[in-house]
Amino acid sequence: DIQMTQSPSSLSASVGDRVTITCRASQNIFNYLNWYQQKPGKAPQVLIYLASSLHSGVPSRFSGNGSGTDFTLTISSLQPDDFATYYCQQSYFTPPLTFGGGTKVEI
Amino acid sequence: EVQLVESGGGLIQPGGSLRLSCAASGFTVSNNYMIWVRQAPGKGLEWVSLIYAGGEVDYADSVKGRFTISRDNSKNTVYLEMNSLRVEDTAVYYCARIVTAIIMYWGQGTLVTVSS
Repeated sequence: DIQMTQSPSSLSASVGDRVTITCRASQNIFNYLNWYQQKPGKAPQVLIYLASSLHSGVPSRFSGNGSGTDFTLTISSLQPDDFATYYCQQSYFTPPLTFGGGTKVEI
Repeated sequence: EVQLVESGGGLIQPGGSLRLSCAASGFTVSNNYMIWVRQAPGKGLEWVSLIYAGGEVDYADSVKGRFTISRDNSKNTVYLEMNSLRVEDTAVYYCARIVTAIIMYWGQGTLVTVSS
C-alpha cells in the first residue's frame, strides 16, 4: 500500500504569513494527489485536486504543486478562516485510499 | 443539490453490532463510487470501505471480515454493517461520494463509541 507522509504535523503562523505543507508518497503517484481542509467538528472539504488544480470556489491564495512522490500545499497569505487541519490523499493506487497524517495550522 | 445524511451511530459495547445508514439525495448512489471514512477522536482520516458503481466492494484491512458495505438502490441509501466492534473502532464515520477520484461530497458524520 502507498504511504503518505505529511510534514509538519502542526505549525504556528500568523495572519498574512506564507505557509507551506509537504506531502510525500512512498511510490510514484504521478499527479494523483488531492488536498482537503477540515475545520473542527466539520467534514473535510476538497481544496486542490490532481496536485495543482484549484477546486471551484476555493480562494486563489491556495495552490498546490508537485508530481511523482513530493507535493506541496501553499497558502500565500494566511487568513483567519484558514486555521484548520489539512490532509493530502493519493488517488492513484486505490483502494486503499490513503491519507496523510494531517497538518494542523494554528495561531 | 447533493446531500449525504448519515445516521445510526451511538454507544455500543465491545463485540456488539451497529448499522450505519447514509441517505443520499441529488444523485443516484448506484451510479457512483461511495465510501466510508472514519476519524477517531483527535486523529486523522482513515478510509474504511468502498462500493463501486458495479456493486463490487472493498475494505481496509482493519475492518475486513467485520464490516460490510451495501446499498439499497430503491432507497438511494448506502449502509455500513459493523460487527464484532472494538474499542479502536470508536470514531466519527463519514459517508462520501467520489467524483473523478476526488472525495467530492461528504456527509456530516455520525459518532460511533465502542465502550463498556
